[in-house]
Amino acid sequence: DIQMTQSPSSLAASVGDRVTITCRTSQSISSYLNWYQQKPGKAPKLLIYAASSLQSGVPSRFSGSGSGTDFTLTISSLQPEDFATYYCQQSYSTPTTFGQGTRLEIK
Amino acid sequence: QVTLKESGPALVKPTQTLTLTCTFSGFSLSTSGMRVSWIRQPPGKALEWLARIDWDDDKFYSTSLKTRLTISKDTSKNQVVLTMTNVDPVDTATYYCARALIAVDAFDIWGQGTLVTVSS
Repeated sequence: DIQMTQSPSSLAASVGDRVTITCRTSQSISSYLNWYQQKPGKAPKLLIYAASSLQSGVPSRFSGSGSGTDFTLTISSLQPEDFATYYCQQSYSTPTTFGQGTRLEIK
Repeated sequence: QVTLKESGPALVKPTQTLTLTCTFSGFSLSTSGMRVSWIRQPPGKALEWLARIDWDDDKFYSTSLKTRLTISKDTSKNQVVLTMTNVDPVDTATYYCARALIAVDAFDIWGQGTLVTVSS
C-alpha cells in the first residue's frame, strides 16, 4: 500500500493568513492526489482532485499543486469557515490511502 | 441531486457480523464509470478506506481487512451493502459510503455517516 505523510499534523493560523499543507507519498503517484476538508461531526468534502483541479463550488482561495511524491494544498487567505481538518488521498492505486490529517486551528 | 445515506446498527457485540447499507439516489451504479466505496473513521482518528464496488461489479478490499469484508450491490434498489465479520471494539467508528466517478477518481459525494460502536 502507498503510505501518505501529511505535515504539519496541526497548525494554528489567523484569519487572512496564507497557509500551506504538505502531503508526501511513499512512491510516485503522478497527479493522482485529492484533498478533502472535514469539519467536526461532518463528512469530508472534496476540495481538489487530480492534484490541482478545483472541485465545483469550492472557493478559489483553495489551490493544489505537485506531482510525483510531493504535493501541497494552499489556502491563500484564511476565512473563519476554513478552520477544519484536511486530508490528502491518493487514487493512483488500489487500495486508496489517506493521510493522517492536518488540523487547522485558530491562532 | 446526488445523495447517499448509510444505515445499520448503532451497537454490535464483539465477534458478531456487522451489516451496513448505503442507499443512494441521483445516479445509477449500472452506469459506466460509477463506483461506491465504504470508508470509516474511528473517533478522533483519520479516514480509512475499506472497500469499493464498481459499475461492472468489480470489487476491491482493504489489504488489512479483506478477509473480513464483503461488498455487494443491488442496482434495482440503488443500494450497496458491506458486511464485516468478527467485529472487535477497534472497529468502533463512523462508517461512510461515498461515490466516485472514474473520470474524477475522487470521492465527490459522501453520505452523512453512521456511528457503529462495538461493545459487549
